[in-house]
Amino acid sequence: EAGVAQSPRYKIIEKRQSVAFWCNPISGHATLYWYQQILGQGPKLLIQFQNNGVVDDSQLPKDRFSAERLKGVDSTLKIQPAKLEDSAVYLCASSLGDRVNEQFFGPGTRLTVL
Amino acid sequence: AQKITQTQPGMFVQEKEAVTLDCTYDTSDQSYGLFWYKQPSSGEMIFLIYQGSYDEQNATEGRYSLNFQKARKSANLVISASQLGDSAMYFCASLYPYTGRRALTFGSGTRLQVQP
Repeated sequence: EAGVAQSPRYKIIEKRQSVAFWCNPISGHATLYWYQQILGQGPKLLIQFQNNGVVDDSQLPKDRFSAERLKGVDSTLKIQPAKLEDSAVYLCASSLGDRVNEQFFGPGTRLTVL
Repeated sequence: AQKITQTQPGMFVQEKEAVTLDCTYDTSDQSYGLFWYKQPSSGEMIFLIYQGSYDEQNATEGRYSLNFQKARKSANLVISASQLGDSAMYFCASLYPYTGRRALTFGSGTRLQVQP
């Protein structure tokens, strides 16, 4: 079974530029999560989708971050414009439903903002 | 508040010995789940073990066991017979499927180093 796929794996941009990350969850998984992991900290939820609807985006900085999950499968997370403090690893995870035990994580995208 | 506290930023253990990583959680909910994830230097989050709040037995998965003490609100991870490959960051996390955020809330992690 293929795992959660993410691309790119690494991205370096300058502040005020835009960037987008892509995630393909495990086939059949209805719930998709984007987490932000700043160096030295645990991951923090940015947004959670159930199929193509948003369940929780309370911690998403909506003035610069946006995310979508068209057709309830792939998802894209965008930052526009990026700030220095956005430097982090962006992790995508998926699970069968939103009340189940296990979330499967992708390899992450490491973003460096200069 | 759904808060996870890991008070050990770093731990050392000798190969083949057991080690306990501490985790406490803060909730008044009755229904919740507790998780441990391993994050090697390569960055991926690897699920290790799960404990439900209503589970009477402590969870075990191979060399991993979870010491669940509900009254103390603690969910410590015990790794038996440590191996060099166990060197990694370990994160405790909680999930509240019915009353709170239905995504994982993570602690700050413990870096474990296994010495030969």
